[in-house]
Amino acid sequence: AQSVTQLDSQVPVFEEAPVELRCNYSSSVSVYLFWYVQYPNQGLQLLLKYLSGSTLVESINGFEAEFNKSQTSFHLRKPSVHISDTAEYFCAVSESDNNDMRFGAGTRLTVKP
Amino acid sequence: NAGVTQTPKFQVLKTGQSMTLQCAQDMNHEYMSWYRQDPGMGLRLIHYSVGAGITDQGEVPNGYNVSRSTTEDFPLRLLSAAPSQTSVYFCASSYGSGRYNEQFFGPGTRLTVL
Repeated sequence: AQSVTQLDSQVPVFEEAPVELRCNYSSSVSVYLFWYVQYPNQGLQLLLKYLSGSTLVESINGFEAEFNKSQTSFHLRKPSVHISDTAEYFCAVSESDNNDMRFGAGTRLTVKP
Repeated sequence: NAGVTQTPKFQVLKTGQSMTLQCAQDMNHEYMSWYRQDPGMGLRLIHYSVGAGITDQGEVPNGYNVSRSTTEDFPLRLLSAAPSQTSVYFCASSYGSGRYNEQFFGPGTRLTVL
């Protein structure tokens, strides 16, 4: 079965600084990759996803992620963060031949003024 | 649309008690799933369903039962609660297959087992 590793449990950054949240996955078949965001006391919301095609995917609020098959990575980046980006971010992977989605342990992003 | 709703929001049980966590969606989604969220472990899939009458096990199914008699509802039953089941439980649904479509999550149920 597939697995996901988020390399940083916590990432503190100052407002307007760039940020990268790292995600690596393991799978023996084709995968679909996702980033979800969880604000305090809420459920998860989809941020962006990679299914096929262009390896660079973008969200509407300035985040982007790049699928790197050789590195088995799907890192999330934002060039300039805002206080409102403070949340927990989860990387997730599903495989092309089953309905079992696996999530990483999460990265808590804290943006400081 | 209410989206995905879950009840109750909070629940405290004693070891050995049973209960059902309710989940409903009004988006006519085929795929529904249950996850538990524990600190440092992310979300782990308990059970999922690809349509009414069809359910399957996820990563951590032991101690939980599900059924899917209608498209809208997907209850999760704890047969005999244990302290290890203390967690936050999320229900989610998606159009079509859960493997490549966006999953919509409910607000969660925080369960404590004493």
